[in-house]
Amino acid sequence: DAGITQSPRHKVTETGTPVTLRCHQTENHRYMYWYRQDPGHGLRLIHYSYGVKDTDKGEVSDGYSVSRSKTEDFLLTLESATSSQTSVYFCAIGGQGANTEAFFGQGTRLTVV
Amino acid sequence: ILNVEQSPQSLHVQEGDSTNFTCSFPSSNFYALHWYRWETAKSPEALFVMTLNGDEKKKGRISATLNTKEGYSYLYIKGSQPEDSATYLCAFPPHTGNQFYFGTGTSLTVIP
Repeated sequence: DAGITQSPRHKVTETGTPVTLRCHQTENHRYMYWYRQDPGHGLRLIHYSYGVKDTDKGEVSDGYSVSRSKTEDFLLTLESATSSQTSVYFCAIGGQGANTEAFFGQGTRLTVV
Repeated sequence: ILNVEQSPQSLHVQEGDSTNFTCSFPSSNFYALHWYRWETAKSPEALFVMTLNGDEKKKGRISATLNTKEGYSYLYIKGSQPEDSATYLCAFPPHTGNQFYFGTGTSLTVIP
């Protein structure tokens, strides 16, 4: 299994509170991604990183920020959690190249009440 | 943004039936296509990596074909089993861009 770990695995938080999810990899992959999974939408990209301190927005980035201060860690922050951000969040890592598959973390189930 | 469509959205088949579903994509500037299998409560895992027009890949009862000229890939499952129940995603890896583009998936349920 690829060395990718998400924490926490489950979290319940209140509306309006900030929340940070962590993705940690031991594979030294350049690219890291945060996706959310919602019924009927599959995987939607929130933000991604293509190197330390290099990040960019995905299709559903509003209300989220990210940081990558070192290769192995990619943090996703919900600035002020809302109920619409209740979801399962997946981190993925990958390289660049046709044969470079994406490896996913176990997912974080976040509930905003 | 790369427009990737998968059909059908969901599928229910009886155990033992064979089935197939489709990933459609723009045929221009094709680079590579990946298929992923995503079981409930687990993480997506790669099934196939396909790069050449006419590619055929096989893993047990599951196989995939690729037609880059017309912009589609088929995933076939022969003799479906309940353990094949999962969502199957196609995806395009980073090329000139920096991100994977995932289709919305086909959810397969195999009824015993």
